[in-house]
Amino acid sequence: ILNVEQSPQSLHVQEGDSTNFTCSFPSSNFYALHWYRWETAKSPEALFVMTLNGDEKKKGRISATLNTKEGYSYLYIKGSQPEDSATYLCAHYGGSQGNLIFGKGTKLSVKP
Amino acid sequence: GAVVSQHPSWVICKSGTSVKIECRSLDFQATTMFWYRQFPKQSLMLMATSNEGSKATYEQGVEKDKFLINHASLTLSTLTVTSAHPEDSSFYICSAKDRLGRLAKNIQYFGAGTRLSVL
Repeated sequence: ILNVEQSPQSLHVQEGDSTNFTCSFPSSNFYALHWYRWETAKSPEALFVMTLNGDEKKKGRISATLNTKEGYSYLYIKGSQPEDSATYLCAHYGGSQGNLIFGKGTKLSVKP
Repeated sequence: GAVVSQHPSWVICKSGTSVKIECRSLDFQATTMFWYRQFPKQSLMLMATSNEGSKATYEQGVEKDKFLINHASLTLSTLTVTSAHPEDSSFYICSAKDRLGRLAKNIQYFGAGTRLSVL
C-alpha cells in the first residue's frame, strides 16, 4: 500500500448503533497514525495520535486500534449520536518531512 | 487552546486577480505551518510547508510563483494565489504545529479552510 486508504467512503447509521471504519497505510517507515474528526464548516480536530503496534486509545465513546505490521487502524464509535456526524480522517505521519499523508475520509451520518 | 484562525472562509474572484489567505495561530506559536488543497472527493494534499523566517518548501508539482507563501511571524502565514484561474478553484486549508512541542506527537492544528471560486 503506497497511499492512505479509508473505507467505507460514507456510512449512514441510526442513533444508538455502533460502527467502525478502517484506515490502511504503508507499513514501512511508520512513525505515527493520526485520526481527525472534521465537522462541516469547522476545523479538523485531532482525535488520536497512535505510534505503537497494538496500541488502543479511547476518548469517550470513540476508540481506535493500530496494527503497524499489517498497516491498518480501526476507529470505533459505540452508541452513535447525531453529534458524531462528521468526516473522520486518518493520516499517516512518515516522519522524514513532518508531513501528514491523508486518506479521503469516511463521512458518517447518524440519524436520530 | 490550540486555535488556528483562517480567513477568508469563502472568496469569489475574477480570473487574473490575486487572492490572499491568512492563517493565524491564536494561542500558540507555530514555527511550521502547512498549506493543503482539497479537490472534491479527494484527500487533503499538501502544497507546501511554511517555516517562520525562511522560504517555504513546495511539494512536487506545486508552482511556487503561483502560490506565494509568507511566514513572517510565529503566528501568521499567508498564501497568495497569484493571477488566479478557474482551475485554481479549490478548498485551501492551513495547519500549524506548536513550536514548544507541548501538544504531543506532531499534532497539527487546522484552520477551517477557505473555499476559492475563480470565475
